[in-house]
Amino acid sequence: GAGVSQTPSNKVTEKGKYVELRCDPISGHTALYWYRQSLGQGPEFLIYFQGTGAADDSGLPNDRFFAVRPEGSVSTLKIQRTERGDSAVYLCASSIRAGEADTQYFGPGTRLTVL
Amino acid sequence: KQEVTQIPAALSVPEGENLVLNCSFTDSAIYNLQWFRQDPGKGLTSLLLIQSSQREQTSGRLNASLDKSSGRSTLYIAASQPGDSATYLCAVPFSGGYNKLIFGAGTRLAVHP
Repeated sequence: GAGVSQTPSNKVTEKGKYVELRCDPISGHTALYWYRQSLGQGPEFLIYFQGTGAADDSGLPNDRFFAVRPEGSVSTLKIQRTERGDSAVYLCASSIRAGEADTQYFGPGTRLTVL
Repeated sequence: KQEVTQIPAALSVPEGENLVLNCSFTDSAIYNLQWFRQDPGKGLTSLLLIQSSQREQTSGRLNASLDKSSGRSTLYIAASQPGDSATYLCAVPFSGGYNKLIFGAGTRLAVHP
């Protein structure tokens, strides 16, 4: 079946610009997660949704970052006034629920480069 | 504060060897531990999830064990193959939760013919 998909796969932008990154989770998965991965590091948690609501946004680095999931399926991560330090791979994951036995399935990521 | 460490950072072995990758975590009050594989430029593929009540999980040539009291997990790969070359990451939930994962930096594995 279809896995988690993310678009675009690569995004190059200039410092100060606004970007949107999209995630399509596995159909029927109620939990959706965003992580950020820098070169040579493991992914770092940003935010997670249970249904339409952000259940935990404690990992968002500052108020330039915002994410939505209006219909409980597709999610968009929005970054305002991008900075060079935002360059990373942004990974999305989904799980059928958010329980202790629920595996997270990851998408291929969006590589964001801020020039 | 939960911290996850993976040793070694990199490993290069000839094909056919049995391997052990190590993961340690500082807060033993975890609900589960997951092992993932990441190929260059790709997302993560879940390999095994061990719940806190379990001691180990097996999938094919992979076996993962969990010792909560000592804050350790190992991933055992039997009869390694060049196709096993990838980065292996372990992850545990933030303290008290199920789902926000904290990852180690990974072990980069190269299996040469």
